[in-house]
Amino acid sequence: QVQLVESGGGLVKPGGSLRLSCAASGFTFSDYYMSWIRQAPGKGLEWVSYISSSGSTIYYADSVKGRFTISRDNAKNSLYLQMNSLRAEDTAVYYCARGTAATLWGQGTLVTVSS
Amino acid sequence: QLVLTQSPSASASLGASVKLTCTLSSGHSSYAIAWHQQQPEKGPRYLMKLNSDGSHSKGDGIPDRFSGSSSGAERYLTISSLQSEDEADYYCQTWGTGLGVFGGGTKLTVL
Repeated sequence: QVQLVESGGGLVKPGGSLRLSCAASGFTFSDYYMSWIRQAPGKGLEWVSYISSSGSTIYYADSVKGRFTISRDNAKNSLYLQMNSLRAEDTAVYYCARGTAATLWGQGTLVTVSS
Repeated sequence: QLVLTQSPSASASLGASVKLTCTLSSGHSSYAIAWHQQQPEKGPRYLMKLNSDGSHSKGDGIPDRFSGSSSGAERYLTISSLQSEDEADYYCQTWGTGLGVFGGGTKLTVL
């Protein structure tokens, strides 16, 4: 079954850290760029980051640059997002997606940043 | 600056057709986009990738009622024979070197 499954969300205090994971199955993970996209409560979609198939090319939105780190492990068919120095405005559902065009979405994992 | 502009809302009657528009900012009319659907309380679903020449590739299981077209900097999503389950938010998205961009989304109401 072709799917993406995120995990690792939860409640964290401002300034804290969290690591999200995304497990891919049903397709050749190492062939694809991968993206993280988020959606704050009641808001639209916001691109966060993407990583090339080999991991050699990485880009971030300005809103997370310097605080978030995207990575991947092609042997484990997994994508990660390390989130540091979290702020209230990072509260959102975080989705991993296949490719820069997001041709496949996970179900999302909720991150809540609150004291 | 790469920006996508969508109307906040649209409506059409059950069984009718509707055409949603996504406009690329000046200087970016050659960019491909993707259309995504988000039904209430659900995650987004990829509908199609749409090129500047109007060619498009749809996601698995996307009905023929969904089609895309292009004209200049405009990218369109047409939904025919509207059904109640088509009531959703529709987002366009594009990407370039070093960035990804989403439009603000169009909330489609099926009357």
